[in-house]
Amino acid sequence: EIVLTQSPTTMTASPGEKVTITCRASSSVSYMHWYQQKPGASPKPWIYETSKLASGVPDRFSGSGSGTSYSLTINNMEAEDAATYYCQQWNYPSLTFGSGTKLEIK
Amino acid sequence: EVQLVESGGGLVQPGRSMKLSCAASGFTFSNYGMAWVRQAPTKGLEWVATISYDGSSTYYRDSVKGRFTISRDNAKSTLYLQMNSLRSEDTATYYCTREHYVYPLWDYWGQGVMVTVSS
Repeated sequence: EIVLTQSPTTMTASPGEKVTITCRASSSVSYMHWYQQKPGASPKPWIYETSKLASGVPDRFSGSGSGTSYSLTINNMEAEDAATYYCQQWNYPSLTFGSGTKLEIK
Repeated sequence: EVQLVESGGGLVQPGRSMKLSCAASGFTFSNYGMAWVRQAPTKGLEWVATISYDGSSTYYRDSVKGRFTISRDNAKSTLYLQMNSLRSEDTATYYCTREHYVYPLWDYWGQGVMVTVSS
């Protein structure tokens, strides 16, 4: 099973700040996907195939990476971006998520 | 509008069984792979099982193999998860999800149903 390690576990950012969340895989994967989840709500697809934004995702978000190292970046943090972000790899027979990064607004 | 509505959760004793259902609407159910993803209280997301659009292929995480069975009824646009020999560690909110037609992505999620395994 491929283990995904996210960092940081939690972070606080000010409006307008640049934010980077990292996801490292225990083995090389072809792509990384990201989901956003707010308290009390179901997760939403956010970034897929490493760098493609899901429908409705603001273009201040971006994704990058390859092999075992991937990242999600927010340029100009906004209050609505406060949420938990999960990376996820799609490699059957075992699909795995990272443990999540809780992003808070200052 | 795509809708996924889970039902069948609740409190169950360890070792007992429970069956979850997910009623789908707003899209042609028989064209899409489907999956269950769970989240233990205050914990992260965990993929549970996937079924292909026609039910011919299924995949499970190791910890539920032999205990859980994912199935579907395309005539009823309904996804199921039969859970047997339940353990306390199966306590979680279970989400029904739809796989994107082209990309490796769960593009729609239900609101989730809570399953509590406790004596």
